[in-house]
Amino acid sequence: EPEVTQTPSHQVTQMGQEVILRCVPISNHLYFYWYRQILGQKVEFLVSFYNNEISEKSEIFDDQFSVERPDGSNFTLKIRSTKLEDSAMYFCASSGGQGSYYGYTFGSGTRLTVV
Amino acid sequence: RKEVEQDPGPFNVPEGATVAFNCTYSNSASQSFFWYRQDCRKEPKLLMSVYSSGNEDGRFTAQLNRASQYISLLIRDSKLSDSATYLCVVKVSNYQLIWGAGTKLIIKP
Repeated sequence: EPEVTQTPSHQVTQMGQEVILRCVPISNHLYFYWYRQILGQKVEFLVSFYNNEISEKSEIFDDQFSVERPDGSNFTLKIRSTKLEDSAMYFCASSGGQGSYYGYTFGSGTRLTVV
Repeated sequence: RKEVEQDPGPFNVPEGATVAFNCTYSNSASQSFFWYRQDCRKEPKLLMSVYSSGNEDGRFTAQLNRASQYISLLIRDSKLSDSATYLCVVKVSNYQLIWGAGTKLIIKP
C-alpha cells in the first residue's frame, strides 16, 4: 500500500532555531497538506498545497511558516524561528483529488520538541 | 466555538458489544464527512467516508443527518483491535478538514 513518508520521526530544537520537516507524498497524488496535533489536543489544519502554490492556509500558518516542493517529490514545512508552543506532532498528508470524498493519507508524523 | 463536537469518552465496552459514537458539526455548508481512527501517538487513518444515504463497511456503519448536522458511527461485534480514538472529521472547504477531539474506545476482553 502506498505510503506518505515523513522525516525525521522526532526533532528536538532550541527556541528560535529554524526547522525543516520533510515529507514524501504518494507519488501520483496532487494535493498536499500539513496538519499538526499538540499533545492531547485536536488535529489542526495548517496549509494545503496544489500546483506549486498554497491553496489554503489557516490562522496558525503565519509568517513563521512556509512550505515548498523543491524537487517534485519532497514536500517540506519550514518553521523559521521556533517557539515553545510549536511543540507538536506534525503530520503531512496527500490526496489524489479534492472531490468531496477523497480521503487523505497521512504520514506517521514528526514529533517536534522545542526546548 | 466548537466546530466539530464529540463525546471524549473513554467508552469502556466488553469484546463483542456494539458501540455507537456521535458527532455534531456547526458549519451547515460542510461538504463531506469522515471517520478516522487514531492509535496512541500514531497518525490518523481513514476508517470510512460518510455518505448522505448512510453506508456500511463490514462491522462499521456510518450515518449522516444533514438537517440535524449529526454524524454517527456504529461498531458491531467489537474486537480488542478496535481500541483506539475515533475522530469525526468534516470537510469545510475544498482543502480543509476540521477535526473533532475524538472519542476514546477501550475494548475489554
